[in-house]
Amino acid sequence: ETGVTQSPTHLIKTRGQQVTLRCSSQSGHNTVSWYQQALGQGPQFIFQYYREEENGRGNFPPRFSGLQFPNYSSELNVNALELDDSALYLCASSLPGQGGQYFGPGTRLTVT
Amino acid sequence: GENVEQHPSTLSVQEGDSAVIKCTYSDSASNYFPWYKQELGKGPQLIIDIRSNVGEKKDQRIAVTLNKTAKHFSLHITETQPEDSAVYFCAARGAGTALIFGKGTTLSVSS
Repeated sequence: ETGVTQSPTHLIKTRGQQVTLRCSSQSGHNTVSWYQQALGQGPQFIFQYYREEENGRGNFPPRFSGLQFPNYSSELNVNALELDDSALYLCASSLPGQGGQYFGPGTRLTVT
Repeated sequence: GENVEQHPSTLSVQEGDSAVIKCTYSDSASNYFPWYKQELGKGPQLIIDIRSNVGEKKDQRIAVTLNKTAKHFSLHITETQPEDSAVYFCAARGAGTALIFGKGTTLSVSS
């Protein structure tokens, strides 16, 4: 059974740039959630995708957007990067109606 | 919306002792409560979870208890080992799809 994978592991961007992060869900899981984890904090929910549609969104501005593909993989896009966007971005996969969300290793984004 | 508070923020125990981490939640509609362990440089790992129709669940050295009336739940780790050292997060899910996390507890187990 393949776990959740994310790419890249690290990246550095400049304020104002755009970034795309990628996630492959655990085998058989068709629901993907994205979280932002600032240093020393718990993960904060950004949004969830199910059947290629956004299925819930947290308190994040529209410059945070996403996609889910037919193979259940997902992308998180962030436009107009701000310094406060520096964080660990986590992807979690799950099956609908079942509680367990399984996280990938995350992408560490640094905005300078 | 849901709010989850977690205590303590740091916990130091001797190997073999027990460790208890407590969380409270605000949304009475919350029905699912997972616990995650996060090691340095890794994503959170689901270690145990409990649903609102169950009061207690145990898995080897780890147990979780839920008090719906008081809206609090706790993680109990017995016979702690150095490899239990990590940051532990509680979370709650209400009517929506999001998991709302506490701020974490850094557990240090010294041998």
